[in-house]
Amino acid sequence: AQRVTQPEKLLSVFKGAPVELKCNYSYSGSPELFWYVQYSRQRLQLLLRHISRESIKGFTADLNKGETSFHLKKPFAQEEDSAMYYCALHKIQGAQKLVFGQGTRLTINP
Amino acid sequence: GAGVSQSPRYKVAKRGQDVALRCDPISGHVSLFWYQQALGQGPEFLTYFQNEAQLDKSGLPSDRFFAERPEGSVSTLKIQRTQQEDSAVYLCASSLSRTESNQPQHFGDGTRLSIL
Repeated sequence: AQRVTQPEKLLSVFKGAPVELKCNYSYSGSPELFWYVQYSRQRLQLLLRHISRESIKGFTADLNKGETSFHLKKPFAQEEDSAMYYCALHKIQGAQKLVFGQGTRLTINP
Repeated sequence: GAGVSQSPRYKVAKRGQDVALRCDPISGHVSLFWYQQALGQGPEFLTYFQNEAQLDKSGLPSDRFFAERPEGSVSTLKIQRTQQEDSAVYLCASSLSRTESNQPQHFGDGTRLSIL
């Protein structure tokens, strides 16, 4: 079955420290991976997707098919990065749905 | 509009009552999705529409759950004979996608449903 695993429910780092939010997936086809973010009192929004290979708000994520991972990284965390982060897998066997991980709550301490 | 709009934002119902949740997608968006998010979990897929056609309802947990999008725009998710395990946030998302092209899904604020 297709699955997305985010092993850390909570992650706390200090401002200026590097951040890595882990995401592993289980899917036999060619995956499309996304990171969604939900800031306090805001709606879920797209942060980045692997096909774009872009950096958004200083975050990057590289798809590693060998390790079936799509970890989200930022070299220097900022307080405004505090939020819930969800990794999601798209286009499961041609279906349009997103399969989400359980999410990681990131807290940046001053 | 400014984005996907869902109503009501909060709904409290007694066990056994029927509820209806509304979703207004972004104008022109072909695809519409419903997700259920239990406390402390990620969203889980319920059903998917392309225009008025319900192409995937594999995530609906039981026949008490019913969704429609009769004119290919506004959608309603109806839950009959609600049970406590139906308590969750129900998220609606829409996207431009009408083919296999990769279009992101835009989410609404959700409806928080509490069954007493």
